[in-house]
Amino acid sequence: DGGITQSPKYLFRKEGQNVTLSCEQNLNHDAMYWYRQDPGQGLRLIYYSQIVNDFQKGDIAEGYSVSREKKESFPLTVTSAQKNPTAFYLCASKEQGGLNQPQHFGDGTRLSIL
Amino acid sequence: DQQVKQNSPSLSVQEGRISILNCDYTNSMFDYFLWYKKYPAEGPTFLISISSIKDKNEDGRFTVFLNKSAKHLSLHIVPSQPGDSAVYFCAASARGSSNTGKLIFGQGTTLQVKP
Repeated sequence: DGGITQSPKYLFRKEGQNVTLSCEQNLNHDAMYWYRQDPGQGLRLIYYSQIVNDFQKGDIAEGYSVSREKKESFPLTVTSAQKNPTAFYLCASKEQGGLNQPQHFGDGTRLSIL
Repeated sequence: DQQVKQNSPSLSVQEGRISILNCDYTNSMFDYFLWYKKYPAEGPTFLISISSIKDKNEDGRFTVFLNKSAKHLSLHIVPSQPGDSAVYFCAASARGSSNTGKLIFGQGTTLQVKP
C-alpha cells in the first residue's frame, strides 16, 4: 500500500529542546516537502527537496533543518531557535518530471510545547 | 503578501444542492491550480487541478473553473453530500516552479453539508 507516513502523530517538546519529525514515502517520488499549518491559515512551505542530498529553503525555514540522505526519507528537525513551534506539520511528495503533478500528503504531526 | 486568497472562511449548504468554493490570486505567473480537501487531524487529499491553458476541468461531482482575466477560480460540487464536509484549500504553482512543485496555498474554506 503506497503512501506517506509521518510519525509520531502527536509530539510534545520542552522549551529549548530540538525535536525531529519523521516522514517516509514508498511512492518512489523524487521530490519531498515540509509544510506548517497554523489555525485559520493555509499551508506554508518550510523546506523542500527535489533529489537525494539536495534541499532548498521554503518561505519559513528559520529555526528548522532537514536532511535528505535517502530517497524515501525527509526528516524535519525543529530546533530551539524556532520561537513558535506549536503547529501542525505536513509532509508531502511528488513525482518529478512531466508537467503539473499534484503533491500527495501524509497525515501530519501535531507538535506542542510543554 | 497573500498571493492566493480564499475570502470565505466557511460555507454551509444543504445536501443535494451545489457547493461553490471561490479562490482569488494575484500572481499572473501562476499557471497550475489545485484543490485539496482536508479532514481534521489528517493530511490534505488532492481533489482536482487545472492548467492555465484550460478554463474548465471536470471529474465526477467536482468541476473547477478558471477565469484568468479575473484571476479567479472556483470549485463546484454537485450534488453536495454530507461526506463532503471538510476544509477545502486552493493552491497555485507559478511558471518556472512547475518542476520544483512549490505550491502557494489559500487559507482554506470550511464546507458544511447539512443532511
